[in-house]
Amino acid sequence: DQQVKQNSPSLSVQEGRISILNCDYTNSMFDYFLWYKKYPAEGPTFLISISSIKDKNEDGRFTVFLNKSAKHLSLHIVPSQPGDSAVYFCAASATGNQFYFGTGTSLTVIP
Amino acid sequence: GAVVSQHPSRVICKSGTSVKIECRSLDFQATTMFWYRQFPKKSLMLMATSNEGSKATYEQGVEKDKFLINHASLTLSTLTVTSAHPEDSSFYICSAKGQDRIDTQYFGPGTRLTVL
Repeated sequence: DQQVKQNSPSLSVQEGRISILNCDYTNSMFDYFLWYKKYPAEGPTFLISISSIKDKNEDGRFTVFLNKSAKHLSLHIVPSQPGDSAVYFCAASATGNQFYFGTGTSLTVIP
Repeated sequence: GAVVSQHPSRVICKSGTSVKIECRSLDFQATTMFWYRQFPKKSLMLMATSNEGSKATYEQGVEKDKFLINHASLTLSTLTVTSAHPEDSSFYICSAKGQDRIDTQYFGPGTRLTVL
């Protein structure tokens, strides 16, 4: 049973525009969320996090929004750059220990 | 930031042999390490959680006798794939969690295992 879902397997965005990656979860006990970025043949690298006490966290070009009532979070990248092309995973945790990952969204930023 | 290394990065072995993958936290002590497996076009799947000095906790459906995990020190965990079969071919990723940052896992670069 997939507790964290990323329903868009891929996304293409023009350079300079906004990229919006979405993530939905089913477990209302999740209280901590992460976004990871993964290049082919490499391990995921941490991008940005948000805890359930917040609804927004911003770090440079990356902003994560959390809608607890809808059990939905999104990652906004503005402006998008070709180097942002990668697979993005969202992950959620209820204990800060085990994280459940989504299936990933492959972002392509077109120059 | 915290660095986690994995060795080897790629390994090719014959069916029936065993392969050991090392995961090291280079600049912090990892009280807990996780082993994941990534299937093509699918999510990272947690295989097991290991705490230093104790037995690993395996996720449902993961054979503990096939995937041996040892977390002998605060900086090293090993995953041994025993009697490997072609279906074990996958990308194996470890992550480590330190004592100071309970909210973030630091991932290794992964190991690509190909079983012929």
